[in-house]
Amino acid sequence: AQSVAQPEDQVNVAEGNPLTVKCTYSVSGNPYLFWYVQYPNRGLQFLLKYITGDNLVKGSYGFEAEFNKSQTSFHLKKPSALVSDSALYFCAVRVPPRDNYGQNFVFGPGTRLSVLP
Amino acid sequence: GAGVSQTPSNKVTEKGKYVELRCDPISGHTALYWYRQSLGQGPEFLIYFQGTGAADDSGLPNDRFFAVRPEGSVSTLKIQRTERGDSAVYLCASSELPRDTQYFGPGTRLTVL
Repeated sequence: AQSVAQPEDQVNVAEGNPLTVKCTYSVSGNPYLFWYVQYPNRGLQFLLKYITGDNLVKGSYGFEAEFNKSQTSFHLKKPSALVSDSALYFCAVRVPPRDNYGQNFVFGPGTRLSVLP
Repeated sequence: GAGVSQTPSNKVTEKGKYVELRCDPISGHTALYWYRQSLGQGPEFLIYFQGTGAADDSGLPNDRFFAVRPEGSVSTLKIQRTERGDSAVYLCASSELPRDTQYFGPGTRLTVL
């Protein structure tokens, strides 16, 4: 069965420092991997995705993620954190639905990022 | 343009009651998804519509849960005989085509007393 792990409940980083939010996955077949961010009282927002191609994927708000097949990881990174990046981050993997056409997600449990001024 | 909207934003009900949660997707989006997010967890898939039909309802936890999308736009998630364990935030997402980026609504927080 497809699963996603985010080993850290909480990540604290000082503003201006690089940040990493970790994600590992377990899937059968080729993984389709995603990162979403959730701000308080707002819906999940798409950050980036890996389907195929370059292992380094660039997304919204200066975030990027590196797909590592041998380590089954898809860690989210940003070179210089902002206080406004503080939010809940979810890693997700696509699960083929019954019609094999849509895009159901299995989400990780989330990692709360706090960027300290 | 307008994003995905969900109503109500909060719903408090008593155990055993019936509730309906509404999702208005982005106009023109053919795919619609429902998820449930319990406290401290990631969203959990419930059901996926392609147009008017439920393409995959394998995530619905039991037969108390049902969802419709009669005209291929607005969807309603219906929960019968609510239980305290149904308390969660119910999220709706839509995408223009099934494999496109999903846009999520703000969710409906359901509390069953």
